[in-house]
Amino acid sequence: DIQMTQSPSSLSASVGDRVTITCRASQSISTYLNWYQQKPGKAPKLLIYGASSLQSGVPSRFSGSGSGTDFTLTISSLQPEDFATYYCQQSYTIFTFGPGTKVDIK
Amino acid sequence: EVQLVESGGGLVQPGGSLRLSCAASGFTFSYYEMNWVRQAPGKGLEWVSYISGSNTIYYADSVKGRFTISRDNAKNSLHLQMNSLRAEDTAIYYCAREYTSSSRGHYYYYMDVWGKGTTVTVSS
Repeated sequence: DIQMTQSPSSLSASVGDRVTITCRASQSISTYLNWYQQKPGKAPKLLIYGASSLQSGVPSRFSGSGSGTDFTLTISSLQPEDFATYYCQQSYTIFTFGPGTKVDIK
Repeated sequence: EVQLVESGGGLVQPGGSLRLSCAASGFTFSYYEMNWVRQAPGKGLEWVSYISGSNTIYYADSVKGRFTISRDNAKNSLHLQMNSLRAEDTAIYYCAREYTSSSRGHYYYYMDVWGKGTTVTVSS
């Protein structure tokens, strides 16, 4: 089974900050990597698929990169509505989620 | 409007059974693969099960042999029969539509539509 890890597990940031979250797969998954945002009490929302493709309707301040085993999600200028938990997900074989990264207000 | 609405959650004793349902609307249900994903209280997301339009099925090891996924394309509905429930099955259960996108020579798979979830509590 493919295992996913994320770092950091949590971070504190201010509005306007550039934020980077890292996701690592236990084996190469090419670019079969998705990113989701989840706010408390809500269902997850797709942000990025295929490692770097922005889902329709998602602000362009969100971007993704990487291939193989190492991936990043970047928020170029953190907005108040971006405080949430972010999950990566591999879709190379079925699905596995990473443990999540909680982004809160500094 | 594309929508998924889960139902059937509740409180059940360990060893008991529960059947979850997910009603789909706003899209051609039979065309899409569907998934169940769960989230234990205060924990992360865990993929549970997958079913294709032609009934290819996969399960997470944690539920294999206890849970059964099914779909009724005529009724635009997805189901999860959960037997031999354990305390560790306590979670919010989400149904999610799987979308396939072709890009850069690859077919990418992701969950683009989610329901609001239904809560399952396994406790005596």
